[in-house]
Amino acid sequence: EAQVTQNPRYLITVTGKKLTVTCSQNMNHEYMSWYRQDPGLGLRQIYYSMNVEVTDKGDVPEGYKVSRKEKRNFPLILESPSPNQTSLYFCASSPSWGAVETQYFGPGTRLLVL
Amino acid sequence: DAKTTQPNSMESNEEEPVHLPCNHSTISGTDYIHWYRQLPSQGPEYVIHGLTSNVNNRMASLAIAEDRKSSTLILHRATLRDAAVYYCIPRTNAGNMLTFGGGTRLMVKP
Repeated sequence: EAQVTQNPRYLITVTGKKLTVTCSQNMNHEYMSWYRQDPGLGLRQIYYSMNVEVTDKGDVPEGYKVSRKEKRNFPLILESPSPNQTSLYFCASSPSWGAVETQYFGPGTRLLVL
Repeated sequence: DAKTTQPNSMESNEEEPVHLPCNHSTISGTDYIHWYRQLPSQGPEYVIHGLTSNVNNRMASLAIAEDRKSSTLILHRATLRDAAVYYCIPRTNAGNMLTFGGGTRLMVKP
């Protein structure tokens, strides 16, 4: 089944403790991205990747890192999480970079930073 | 990016058609109009997209005004499973980011 998977689905952590949220897609998509969703602010893009080893900042990149060493994986790294990073995170992928491409979203990771 | 205006919420009865409007008066000539929806506790899901002509797929129909300043997503027979937030998103050829506004929360009554 074609899908985007994220792990973990739920995570509670403390300020400053490094964490990684994994994202994987099995559709051989070139483009992948991360969004966060907050009440009243909608979904905002954090980082994106057009292909392996090519990443760039989205609208809200501060406090996050990403890497794209393999086509299927695009982990989101929080080196020193803070409470303002408490949010619902979505990974997405699409076949390539372009305005007509459909994006496929993962099920979301709910993060609480204490 | 073009700005969009959608009703905050709409209600429908099950089995009846639903017309979800979207105004995007600042859309450029090359912007595609995409619709996504987000069911409760799930990630956004693609519904349909178009440029100028009306479009149909198994989920919905998209009617685009001749001047392209507005569009309407049509669900032909709403089901309880269609209760979701629906987002209208103009997209440029310049990039792949989806800019989500507030969307329309559709409630379906049995």
